[in-house]
Amino acid sequence: AQSVTQLDSHVSVSEGTPVLLRCNYSSSYSPSLFWYVQHPNKGLQLLLKYTSAATLVKGINGFEAEFKKSETSFHLTKPSAHMSDAAEYFCVVSGGSNYKLTFGKGTLLTVNP
Amino acid sequence: GAGVSQTPSNKVTEKGKYVELRCDPISGHTALYWYRQSLGQGPEFLIYFQGTGAADDSGLPNDRFFAVRPEGSVSTLKIQRTERGDSAVYLCASSPGRNSGNTIYFGEGSWLTVV
Repeated sequence: AQSVTQLDSHVSVSEGTPVLLRCNYSSSYSPSLFWYVQHPNKGLQLLLKYTSAATLVKGINGFEAEFKKSETSFHLTKPSAHMSDAAEYFCVVSGGSNYKLTFGKGTLLTVNP
Repeated sequence: GAGVSQTPSNKVTEKGKYVELRCDPISGHTALYWYRQSLGQGPEFLIYFQGTGAADDSGLPNDRFFAVRPEGSVSTLKIQRTERGDSAVYLCASSPGRNSGNTIYFGEGSWLTVV
């Protein structure tokens, strides 16, 4: 069994300030973890993925996430928010079956000018 | 196009009607997935194809839902006797195979509204 908890349904930041989107996971297997972003009326786009290599994963658009097994966390960060980062972000886990992705409920990121 | 293509992008249908949603995966991808995203929720797994066969259909909510992929490429999700609760975005995705290291690419979805 696997599950994902995104700790904040909505995060609001000012442009140029850091972003932190929190995610905790549960998995019976050694997990693969992903962050996807969904802009309004657009498809899901992969930001980054962790698949048991380096624990600090760098993604597109300046985002990165750190896999912490002891804390079962995979938080997403960015040093400086841009207006174009405003979107819904999903933390995702896959486990032993590999193909079946389990999504969190999403965190809506608002970026204020 | 290079991405996963889904048609129609929007569909409004009356309760009780039959609906088909089409997915054209990325060329060469053997794995194809259907997910459903209800308002305010994350996507939920419906069915997974490896080639022509449905390897896992455990996410289909009931027997009104059915999906096919007869030639191992295009897939159709079929919903019979639609209900208002079926209203959601239906997302199709594909990947080169079932390896966990493979990236899964999503289409933009088919927004279904049952009135």
